[in-house]
Amino acid sequence: KNQVEQSPQSLIILEGKNCTLQCNYTVSPFSNLRWYKQDTGRGPVSLTIMTFSENTKSNGRYTATLDADTKQSSLHITASQLSDSASYICVVSGMYTGGFKTIFGAGTRLFVKA
Amino acid sequence: DAGITQSPRHKVTETGTPVTLRCHQTENHRYMYWYRQDPGHGLRLIHYSYGVKDTDKGEVSDGYSVSRSKTEDFLLTLESATSSQTSVYFCAISEGMAPLRDYGYTFGSGTRLTVV
Repeated sequence: KNQVEQSPQSLIILEGKNCTLQCNYTVSPFSNLRWYKQDTGRGPVSLTIMTFSENTKSNGRYTATLDADTKQSSLHITASQLSDSASYICVVSGMYTGGFKTIFGAGTRLFVKA
Repeated sequence: DAGITQSPRHKVTETGTPVTLRCHQTENHRYMYWYRQDPGHGLRLIHYSYGVKDTDKGEVSDGYSVSRSKTEDFLLTLESATSSQTSVYFCAISEGMAPLRDYGYTFGSGTRLTVV
């Protein structure tokens, strides 16, 4: 079972619409959770970071939420733009089997169409 | 990506040949990492370094070796490339140990390696 699962795998939306990406994780105790944006042909770039005590963090049109009880996080994108077309990666750090680790999700590929 | 460069950006090599990928940083960060990214998988850690000549294995280290002789350079070597090592390789840096709060990764732009 993947330790960080993201859904959907891919998503197509129209420019100007909102969307929400999901991340479920299995780790305890939990240290922090990050969302990264990865443009095609580039490395991931950090969008937000949250610790276990935070339940929301915004960065412009990007808002991440965290429910540590259910081990779920969401990334909400408001008023999407063509430049939002990218992969969005959820990254969770905490105590996994074998020790303290950082685990990357496989990402959600977002396509924003005009 | 500011402060971190990878070379080459693309490489095609034959099975059984050695390959070295280079990561260079200008941020003077202590920690450097090599990850590989494959379709359907999250980024997976190959090796990391926590100082000059100090390195440790990640979860997918078999078939790879690394060296760090200077703070700014971290080399990844595939001793004898195999087709299963066809992937996109990312170098990352962080000021402190990345899993801890406030120490996020800065990634390079990646090297696309094809082993034929």
